[in-house]
Amino acid sequence: GESVGLHLPTLSVQEGDNSIINCAYSNSASDYFIWYKQESGKGPQFIIDIRSNMDKRQGQRVTVLLNKTVKHLSLQIAATQPGDSAVYFCAENASNQGGKLIFGQGTELSVKP
Amino acid sequence: EAGVVQSPRYKIIEKKQPVAFWCNPISGHNTLYWYLQNLGQGPELLIRYENEEAVDDSQLPKDRFSAERLKGVDSTLKIQPAELGDSAVYLCASSPGLAMVDEQFFGPGTRLTVL
Repeated sequence: GESVGLHLPTLSVQEGDNSIINCAYSNSASDYFIWYKQESGKGPQFIIDIRSNMDKRQGQRVTVLLNKTVKHLSLQIAATQPGDSAVYFCAENASNQGGKLIFGQGTELSVKP
Repeated sequence: EAGVVQSPRYKIIEKKQPVAFWCNPISGHNTLYWYLQNLGQGPELLIRYENEEAVDDSQLPKDRFSAERLKGVDSTLKIQPAELGDSAVYLCASSPGLAMVDEQFFGPGTRLTVL
């Protein structure tokens, strides 16, 4: 099979540092975005979402920023902990896609103690 | 509250054999999804059910894949016959409402290996 999908972008950070994970989307009609966390052997877990009428949304230790001009989404994790180590996916939803949730490739976050 | 339950967790079969996956969504959730996830990639939707009706199966390879949700609760996804390229994780998710903008809760997935 193809190897293109096997090489996840990776981000390695020190415990306690802040992490920023980026995502680019292509559909300008996308109006709802979600960040998921997926640990090894588990299904994706919802972290935070944002609608297109917002630029920023904060949760507990996480912040999502949306830049519709350049179609860019980011997830900021404050005071990263070893338990944050996982693969993070952004997903977009657009009415012109039949409301289908489209996932990005994912970024692997590794937290060094 | 119990989450989405899937079984089996792992399945190894030889090519051309049939295989079936089972999903029990969170109680009360109307919408059920089956996704395929290849290694290192995000999940891709195969089929979405609203209660017992399949409302989006455009990505389901209908020549070999089939799914059912007869009573609007549990669901099964079947592949017959399986091919080498079907090796992947098959995820089931459910959401409480009838719109994909609802939060989706994922099960742990079934990892299929086709030899």
